[in-house]
Amino acid sequence: KAGVTQTPRYLIKTRGQQVTLSCSPISGHRSVSWYQQTPGQGLQFLFEYFSETQRNKGNFPGRFSGRQFSNSRSEMNVSTLELGDSALYLCASSWLAGERETQYFGPGTRLLVL
Amino acid sequence: GENVEQHPSTLSVQEGDSAVIKCTYSDSASNYFPWYKQELGKRPQLIIDIRSNVGEKKDQRIAVTLNKTAKHFSLHITETQPEDSAVYFCAASLSYGQNFVFGPGTRLSVLP
Repeated sequence: KAGVTQTPRYLIKTRGQQVTLSCSPISGHRSVSWYQQTPGQGLQFLFEYFSETQRNKGNFPGRFSGRQFSNSRSEMNVSTLELGDSALYLCASSWLAGERETQYFGPGTRLLVL
Repeated sequence: GENVEQHPSTLSVQEGDSAVIKCTYSDSASNYFPWYKQELGKRPQLIIDIRSNVGEKKDQRIAVTLNKTAKHFSLHITETQPEDSAVYFCAASLSYGQNFVFGPGTRLSVLP
């Protein structure tokens, strides 16, 4: 099976702009989670989508939002970008039929906000 | 909510020695504990995981132990090699749609 893919891989934006990142999960996986990874904060959970519904949300401001489509592909959007939003954004997919299953990570999108 | 602590934050060992990384969690309901390895510039990759109904699991040079009473789990790497150098993350999760909570990571350096 193909792994989790994310696009774009690299992105440069300026403060105040907005950005949309995309994640395609492993075929058959219905759960997609998003994480922000920074050197100082480690892996911080943003939100999880399952069957097009947001099931969990981390402690991030409302500028961070996401959605999931019927084919399980997911997008996250960050509006009004701030310098502190510069990070590696990782998505992870899992089957999640009931009992917690392993998450598989994508390569990430590295966002730089100038 | 769940909180995961991880120690040490950095660890240097000589090639061939063993390395142990320990994580503690706060929510006794957590029942799935994966470990991820992240090499520089790459994605986190699962190396081993354990569920709460198992006390120990081994895969070649890697083993994980779980102590539910004390709410801690540990990663053991034996006969370390330079390619084991990476950042290792532990995580804890409940079942049924709860999100993963990751530890802050341990940077392991295996010195030749």
